[in-house]
Amino acid sequence: AQKITQTQPGMFVQEKEAVTLDCTYDTSDPSYGLFWYKQPSSGEMIFLIYQGSYDQQNATEGRYSLNFQKARKSANLVISASQLGDSAMYFCAMREDKGGSEKLVFGKGMKLTVNP
Amino acid sequence: GAVVSQHPSWVICKSGTSVKIECRSLDFQATTMFWYRQFPKQSLMLMATSNEGSKATYEQGVEKDKFLINHASLTLSTLTVTSAHPEDSSFYICSASSRDRGLTDTQYFGPGTRLTVL
Repeated sequence: AQKITQTQPGMFVQEKEAVTLDCTYDTSDPSYGLFWYKQPSSGEMIFLIYQGSYDQQNATEGRYSLNFQKARKSANLVISASQLGDSAMYFCAMREDKGGSEKLVFGKGMKLTVNP
Repeated sequence: GAVVSQHPSWVICKSGTSVKIECRSLDFQATTMFWYRQFPKQSLMLMATSNEGSKATYEQGVEKDKFLINHASLTLSTLTVTSAHPEDSSFYICSASSRDRGLTDTQYFGPGTRLTVL
């Protein structure tokens, strides 16, 4: 079974609108971390936001927020006030903390296009 | 902060030659570095994990004699693709993390290296 599922292959949004990128995960480990990365066409992976499994509040970083629904095992990324520069691939990733592993498992990613 | 560099950003080589890619953490000491491979329009595939001063741990299916990893210091890891063949052509990207940053062991990525083997 896939550990990270991103079902939306691509999304289009108008500039200045908010958009939600879906991510569901699967783990039996009670301690884990969830990450979102952005990959523009240049190829670099840019860290956006992190949510720990024990965090009580949803993580926020500027225009990015993570809608963490632990019971549903979902960690959707919300981008408010989209900008043209937000057009990129977005990857959700999970780190399971068992054994002290730092390995990340990535979803397949989804392509966001922001239209002017 | 948390800047990771990679060199070269792209390389073209002949089949049978070896290529070395460097990954450096510029403003922090990386206790762990990771090497990934990414094919076009696909996700990142972890190749190996390396800790400073110890042997790298390779993922299943990754040939350790083919992809040599050296983590010589807390700021530098190198990946050498030995006897490269056209099927090794790919985008190679490294990341670095540090428990000392007191954050969440977030992996910070380099800009990647595009390897083309002719």
